[in-house]
This record gives sequence, C-alpha cells and structure tokens, in this order.
Amino acid sequence: AQSVSQHNHHVILSEAASLELGCNYSYGGTVNLFWYVQYPGQHLQLLLKYFSGDPLVKGIKGFEAEFIKSKFSFNLRKPSVQWSDTAEYFCAVKLKTASKLTFGTGTRLQVTL
Amino acid sequence: DGGITQSPKYLFRKEGQNVTLSCEQNLNHDAMYWYRQDPGQGLRLIYYSQIVNDFQKGDIAEGYSVSREKKESFPLTVTSAQKNPTAFYLCASSTGLAGGLNEQFFGPGTRLTVL
Repeated sequence: AQSVSQHNHHVILSEAASLELGCNYSYGGTVNLFWYVQYPGQHLQLLLKYFSGDPLVKGIKGFEAEFIKSKFSFNLRKPSVQWSDTAEYFCAVKLKTASKLTFGTGTRLQVTL
Repeated sequence: DGGITQSPKYLFRKEGQNVTLSCEQNLNHDAMYWYRQDPGQGLRLIYYSQIVNDFQKGDIAEGYSVSREKKESFPLTVTSAQKNPTAFYLCASSTGLAGGLNEQFFGPGTRLTVL
C-alpha cells in the first residue's frame, strides 16, 4: 500500500538552528512530492514541490528539499529557522499519473527565541 | 479574489444528526477533495471528485457522502453512521490534470464538534 512517513512528530529548535525534517514514502512508480505548511490559525499552504528535473528544490521562506530516489526520501531543510517558522509541516506524495495525494502524519515544529 | 471558502468555521451538532459542510471554489478547478485532519494523524482523504457529476471514495469514506452537481461546489455530508465525526475538515481543489503538477489549494477548514 502507498504510504508516507514522517518520523519526527514534534521538533523544538532555538532560533538560528538548522532544520531537517524527514519524509519517506512507499510508492511504486514515478512520483510528485510536496511539502505543505500549516501556520497557527492559517490555511494549509504549499512550501515547495518536486515534479521532475533538479532533485534539489527551493521553496518559499528559505526552505529547500532534496529528492533522493534511491532512498525514497524527500527531506525538508532550512539552514537557519526563525520564530515565525513555528508551524506544522506535512509531506505529501502522489503518483505522477494521478491527482490523489497521500499525506504524512505531520511534524510540529516549535521555534523558541 | 480567488480561493476556496468553507462554511461555517465552527459547527456543533448533536449525536445522530446528519450535517452538511459547504465548500466553494472560484479557481475554475476541475478536481475537488475532502480531507479529515486529526491530531497526530495528518490529513486523510475522505472523497474526491475529478469532474462534475463524478466522485470517488478516498481512504476513509465510510459514514460520509458527497455530491458534485456544480464545478464550484463540493458539499460533504457527515452522516449519523460516522462513528467519530468530531474533527477538522479541509476542502481542497486542483486543476485535476493527471500527469500535471496538480498542486492542491486548501480552504480554511470547518471544525465539527458532535456533542
């Protein structure tokens, strides 16, 4: 069965620390990959996406993610987090030929001053 | 101002009552989706529709029903058969092109509490 795993459920970092959130998937076939963010009280919004080409993708607010096909991973990174990055982060995957997305369980990031 | 609207923001119902959640989009998207979000479980797909008058069950469709009579609207009914209906419900839409980038855009959500 298709699945998406986010192993970090709750991460606490100090401002300026580096961030890496893990995302692994179990899918047969060519995939599209997404990271969404849900800030407190706001809509779920897209951070970045991988469709094809360069496996290192850059998104909004200084986030980036690297698609490593051999490891079935799409980890999210940011070199220096800010207090405003406090939010819940969701990895999502779909088959390239489909419209249906499968989400991971989410990682709650708390950035302290 | 393009986007997805969900109403109401908060909804309270008594156990055993059916309730319908509204979702409207003016993005001219073909595909629409309903998700349920519970703490620690992420988003789980309830139903989705790729075109008007057609819809498919998602991963947790039991106890829910939908209709898609208009491109802009995709209402979700939570029936009395849903054993644990209290949750945060999110509606989304996308261009629906299989093979396309298919980024999904989300509404603000409806928090349903069944008393």
